[in-house]
Amino acid sequence: SQKIEQNSEALNIQEGKTATLTCNYTNYSPAYLQWYRQDPGRGPVFLLLIRENEKEKRKERLKVTFDTTLKQSLFHITASQPADSATYLCALAGSSNTGKLIFGQGTTLQVKP
Amino acid sequence: NAGVTQTPKFQVLKTGQSMTLQCAQDMNHEYMSWYRQDPGMGLRLIHYSVGAGITDQGEVPNGYNVSRSTTEDFPLRLLSAAPSQTSVYFCASRTSRGSTGELFFGEGSRLTVL
Repeated sequence: SQKIEQNSEALNIQEGKTATLTCNYTNYSPAYLQWYRQDPGRGPVFLLLIRENEKEKRKERLKVTFDTTLKQSLFHITASQPADSATYLCALAGSSNTGKLIFGQGTTLQVKP
Repeated sequence: NAGVTQTPKFQVLKTGQSMTLQCAQDMNHEYMSWYRQDPGMGLRLIHYSVGAGITDQGEVPNGYNVSRSTTEDFPLRLLSAAPSQTSVYFCASRTSRGSTGELFFGEGSRLTVL
C-alpha cells in the first residue's frame, strides 16, 4: 500500500545549527512534492514545491532535495532560529492529475536558544 | 482577502447527532478538499472536489458527505456522529486540480463527539 513516512519523534536542535527533516515514501510515483509548516492551533502553510525532475530547491534558509530513486525528500533549515519551531509536513501528489495531496504525519522541530 | 474560512471553530456533539462544517473560499479556486488531523496520523484526506458539481472520495470518506453547489462553498456533513470522528478538520483549496500550486488551508474546526 502507499505510504508516506516522516520522523515521528520530535527533532531538537540548538539555535544556529542546520535542521534536517526526512520524508520517505513507498508505492508512489509523485509528480511533485510540497513542504508545509504548521504552528499549534493553526492550519498548515505552504513553504516549498519540488518537481520530480528537480534535484534541489532553495528559498532563503530553506533547502529541499528530492531523490526519486531513494524515494526520499530531505528538508533543511540552515542557521535555525527558535521561531522555526513548528511541525513540518511533506505532501505528495500523484501523477493522475486529480489534484489530491497526500500528507505525511509531520515532524515537530524544536529549536533551542 | 479572507482566504479559506471555516465555521464553527469548536463544536461538541453527542453520538448520533448530525452537523455540517462550513467552508468558504474567496479566491475563485476550482479545487477544494477536507482533511482530518489526528495525533500521530497526520492529515488524512476525506473528500475533495475539482469543481462545482463534482466531488470524490479521499482516504477516509466513511461517515462524511459533501456537496459542491457553488465554486465558493464546500460543506462537510456528518450524518450520525461517532466518537471516532473526534478530530480537527481542515478545509483547503487550490487553483485547480492540474495546478502544482499550494493548498490554502483554513484555521481548522475542532470537533468533539461524546
